[in-house]
Amino acid sequence: DAGVTQSPTHLIKTRGQQVTLRCSPKSGHDTVSWYQQALGQGPQFIFQYYEEEERQRGNFPDRFSGHQFPNYSSELNVNALLLGDSALYLCASSLANWGDTQYFGPGTRLTVL
Amino acid sequence: AQKITQTQPGMFVQEKEAVTLDCTYDTSDQSYGLFWYKQPSSGEMIFLIYQGSYDEQNATEGRYSLNFQKARKSANLVISASQLGDSAMYFCAMRVTGGGNKLTFGTGTQLKVEL
Repeated sequence: DAGVTQSPTHLIKTRGQQVTLRCSPKSGHDTVSWYQQALGQGPQFIFQYYEEEERQRGNFPDRFSGHQFPNYSSELNVNALLLGDSALYLCASSLANWGDTQYFGPGTRLTVL
Repeated sequence: AQKITQTQPGMFVQEKEAVTLDCTYDTSDQSYGLFWYKQPSSGEMIFLIYQGSYDEQNATEGRYSLNFQKARKSANLVISASQLGDSAMYFCAMRVTGGGNKLTFGTGTQLKVEL
């Protein structure tokens, strides 16, 4: 049973650039959530996708956008990168019903120079 | 808005002993769920245990148990018979019915298991 996978593992970008992170959900899951985890902090919710639409969004600027594909995989895009965007980006998958547990991938570590 | 507080930045425990990691939460919602995740240095968040606000029994999963005290708004994680592989960051998280399916996390507790 394949778990949540994310790519790439690490990424280095410079300020002002754009980045795309990818996530494949656990087999059987249809909902994908994205979280940002700054160093020494707990993860912060960015947004959640279900049926190819953004279902819920946290307190992040419009520079953060996403997409979900028909196979339930998802992308997180960040435009105009800032130094403060350096963090571990975690993807979590679950079923659509409210009571389901979210399972996380290994994360993508983004460094903005 | 909901909030999770973990007041222990770091904890030490000897191998084979039990350890309690503290978590308090704040929400005005009556229906919510509480989670504990383990994050090794590799970065992946590993689900450990879940407690629903209406569950009357404390949740248990193998060596993990959740000491749920609703009136005190606490959801402490108890790890019995600690192992060296338990050394990691531990995060408490909450989801409320009115908040969709997003998780709100605490700042975590770094646990180190010693010989």
